[in-house]
Amino acid sequence: DGGITQSPKYLFRKEGQNVTLSCEQNLNHDAMYWYRQDPGQGLRLIYYSQIVNDFQKGDIAEGYSVSREKKESFPLTVTSAQKNPTAFYLCASSDEGAGPFFGPGTRLTVL
Amino acid sequence: GNSVTQMEGPVTLSEEAFLTINCTYTATGYPSLFWYVQYPGEGLQLLLKATKADDKGSNKGFEATYRKETTSFHLEKGSVQVSDSAVYFCALSAGGTSYGKLTFGQGTILTVHP
Repeated sequence: DGGITQSPKYLFRKEGQNVTLSCEQNLNHDAMYWYRQDPGQGLRLIYYSQIVNDFQKGDIAEGYSVSREKKESFPLTVTSAQKNPTAFYLCASSDEGAGPFFGPGTRLTVL
Repeated sequence: GNSVTQMEGPVTLSEEAFLTINCTYTATGYPSLFWYVQYPGEGLQLLLKATKADDKGSNKGFEATYRKETTSFHLEKGSVQVSDSAVYFCALSAGGTSYGKLTFGQGTILTVHP
């Protein structure tokens, strides 16, 4: 079955640590996205990539970094510069007219 | 900039009641419009979408019509079930190369009682 996988489902981080969230898709979509969801709120765009080896900042990119070395993969690193990283992180992919489809999410908690 | 406004929740209904969740938007050009559903602890599932004015998206008994004259995309279902209890998000995309760049409403919590 085609879809988007994210790992891990739950992630705990100590203050000052960088962590990397995985996102893989087998839908053969060109574009991939990272969104952040905070309790009781809609989603906000962190970064997106429309093609391999290229990505752009979204609305809340500060404290995050990404890479897009393969079409199937778009990992997100939450750096120690992100002041309030505790949130639910959702990866998505799309092609023009298809989706966007979301993965199951990673819940990050800073201890 | 683009924005989406959803009706305030939570919405509480009895099983088999009629559901309407209002959604209005502000956007330039001709956006695509979406409804997503989120169950507790899960990601978002695409429920339905419409890409041009007067299009009706439908899925699993839910419907929404893209009304450009009123800049609205209200979600409706004729008879809700307990299993429809979830959070519903309205979203828009500018389309084209920005197709997956979504602007979301704040979400509406729906609870359906037996």
